[in-house]
Amino acid sequence: DAMVIQNPRYQVTQFGKPVTLSCSQTLNHNVMYWYQQKSSQAPKLLFHYYDKDFNNEADTPDNFQSRRPNTSFCFLDIRSPGLGDAAMYLCATSRDPDPYEQYFGPGTRLTVT
Amino acid sequence: GESVGLHLPTLSVQEGDNSIINCAYSNSASDYFIWYKQESGKGPQFIIDIRSNMDKRQGQRVTVLLNKTVKHLSLQIAATQPGDSAVYFCAENLKGSARQLTFGSGTQLTVLP
Repeated sequence: DAMVIQNPRYQVTQFGKPVTLSCSQTLNHNVMYWYQQKSSQAPKLLFHYYDKDFNNEADTPDNFQSRRPNTSFCFLDIRSPGLGDAAMYLCATSRDPDPYEQYFGPGTRLTVT
Repeated sequence: GESVGLHLPTLSVQEGDNSIINCAYSNSASDYFIWYKQESGKGPQFIIDIRSNMDKRQGQRVTVLLNKTVKHLSLQIAATQPGDSAVYFCAENLKGSARQLTFGSGTQLTVLP
C-alpha cells in the first residue's frame, strides 16, 4: 500500500508557467519534506514542514513555495519555472521526534519546455 | 562546508558476490546515518540505519559498519542479486539538526550476470 503518494508522476510545463506538484501521505507523520533531485545527483532539500511550521532552506530560490493545508497533504508551487528547474521532485515524511528515517514518495518528474 | 561523500561513483559486481559501498563523512557531530537505495525513476527506499553509539548493524543480506575514528560508513550487501542494481546513497543527520538529512553523492551499483 502506498504510504507517500505524489501526483502527477510526470509533469510538463512551459517556461514561466506556474505549476503545482502534490504529495499526500497515509502515515500521519508530522513532518513533510520537499527535495529536488537532478540527474545523477543526490536529493537536495528545499524545505520542510514540521506540523504547520514552515522551514525553508537558506539556498532555496524564492521561486519555490509550499503549502500544507492539513497533516496529509503538502504542495510544491513553482511560480515561474525555468529550464534549470527541470528535475525529479521528491516528497518525504518522517515522524518527529526520533527516529529520523524519512519515507519517500515515487517522485514527480518535471519537464520545462 | 562539511559534507557526506562517497569514495566510488560506480561499482560493478558479479551476481552472487558480496558488494561493499563506502561513504566518508566529515562532520563528527553526526549521530545518525541511513543508507537508501534508489532505482531508476523511483524515490529513495530505506535500507538500513545506524546510530553513532553502534559500530555495526545487520539486516536481511545487508550490514552497515560505522567507523567513527576515520569517519567512514560502509554498506555490505551479501550475495548480490540483479535486483540490487541501483544508486545507493548514504545520508547523515547532524546532532541537533533534528529532522534533516544530508545526502551523499551516490554510488551506482551494477550487478553483472
